[in-house]
Amino acid sequence: QSVLTQPPSASGTPGQRVTISCSGSSSNIGSNYVYWYQQLPGTAPKLLIYRNNQRPSGVPDRFSGSKSGTSASLAISGLRSEDEADYYCAAWDDSLSEVFGGGTKLTVL
Amino acid sequence: QITLKESGPTLVKPTQTLTLTCTFSGFSLSTSGVGVGWIRQPPGKALEWLALIYWDDDKRYSPSLKSRLTITKDTSKNQVVLTMTNMDPVDTATYYCAHRLDWAGSFDYWGQGTLVTVSS
Repeated sequence: QSVLTQPPSASGTPGQRVTISCSGSSSNIGSNYVYWYQQLPGTAPKLLIYRNNQRPSGVPDRFSGSKSGTSASLAISGLRSEDEADYYCAAWDDSLSEVFGGGTKLTVL
Repeated sequence: QITLKESGPTLVKPTQTLTLTCTFSGFSLSTSGVGVGWIRQPPGKALEWLALIYWDDDKRYSPSLKSRLTITKDTSKNQVVLTMTNMDPVDTATYYCAHRLDWAGSFDYWGQGTLVTVSS
């Protein structure tokens, strides 16, 4: 059972905008930054978003992050087939540990 | 460029101790603000954070696994070592090490991962 709650699946058609939610608590998302990782099949996770809404160099601006209270969201606009992957949210918890979400499998129909 | 690579046994027996080494290049663990963490992923399951060590030897552990984990660094060899005692079949997973900058708080570079199977 992951500390952060994500929907197990999401889907969209090419060109659509999809959002993935991540729910936590006051000790993690509510008081710390949120991060998002993309994991393509058979590969290591890749950082997509850091500090709630910042994109590392090389990450397309189709990917955006937001946070409100104890929840966060990842939005993907202009959906592409290569976006089909697992997406994980993460945050530091005040218990001095990093916590991850259970992951959301995104399917591009 | 920054690269990390995990190494260690692919198969361990229950109750044994697992020792994994993360060998990295492109950065130094003696540089202020730099850290290396370990994260694992059981087959078909979610990511789970295990431990983190910073340039100043500050160490953090997953509360649920703290009694079984030890993380150390060898700055001269550009290596971070994770040991996990009393291995169990539920510890079967791909183990990743990753680079972290304290100010950003995220794991921005990851190793390819190494699959460890716990079985008698």
